[in-house]
Amino acid sequence: AQKITQTQPGMFVQEKEAVTLDCTYDTSDPSYGLFWYKQPSSGEMIFLIYQGSYDQQNATEGRYSLNFQKARKSANLVISASQLGDSAMYFCAMSPRAGANSKLTFGKGITLSVRP
Amino acid sequence: DTGVSQDPRHKITKRGQNVTFRCDPISEHNRLYWYRQTLGQGPEFLTYFQNEAQLEKSRLLSDRFSAERPKGSFSTLEIQRTEQGDSAMYLCASSLAGTGGSGYTFGSGTRLTVV
Repeated sequence: AQKITQTQPGMFVQEKEAVTLDCTYDTSDPSYGLFWYKQPSSGEMIFLIYQGSYDQQNATEGRYSLNFQKARKSANLVISASQLGDSAMYFCAMSPRAGANSKLTFGKGITLSVRP
Repeated sequence: DTGVSQDPRHKITKRGQNVTFRCDPISEHNRLYWYRQTLGQGPEFLTYFQNEAQLEKSRLLSDRFSAERPKGSFSTLEIQRTEQGDSAMYLCASSLAGTGGSGYTFGSGTRLTVV
């Protein structure tokens, strides 16, 4: 079984600063995918970034980067230059196979608040 | 393409009534997933389809829940004899098998309130 752990309490960051959201995972699958989604108060799940377990380099998507440390089973999300619109819930998730091929297991999420 | 569409956005129903939700995936996506999200939690997997075949169902999907994807395009999720514990956000997602993770796309969800 796969498990995602997000234990940070609500996070606060000053506008224009960087913030790291923690995620650790547990799986026995040899190949897996790691995802981060943003969920604003309106409810939709917005894809941010994806990392395959065999990808050699850390994934980046604009202001988002994923700090993937396979040996430590961590997949932290780094948001650079925070904006007020980044205030939302952030979910880490994983799939039992790499790519967009299967169900996702989610963590409980982290609330991020960006201060002006 | 307008993304994954879910209808209705909100549904209030009395306990014991049946409800049905619809999901229209991205047109070229062959996989369709249903999730349930309760307040303060992450989404939990319910079931998924590849084309019209239902490939996996979670233990969360009790006998009162049924999902279909009759022509491999849109899908419906029906809850019979609703209970207050069914109150949640029901999220649909779609993907094209064999593609990268960025193609795993969610809809805006249907928020169900059982009174």
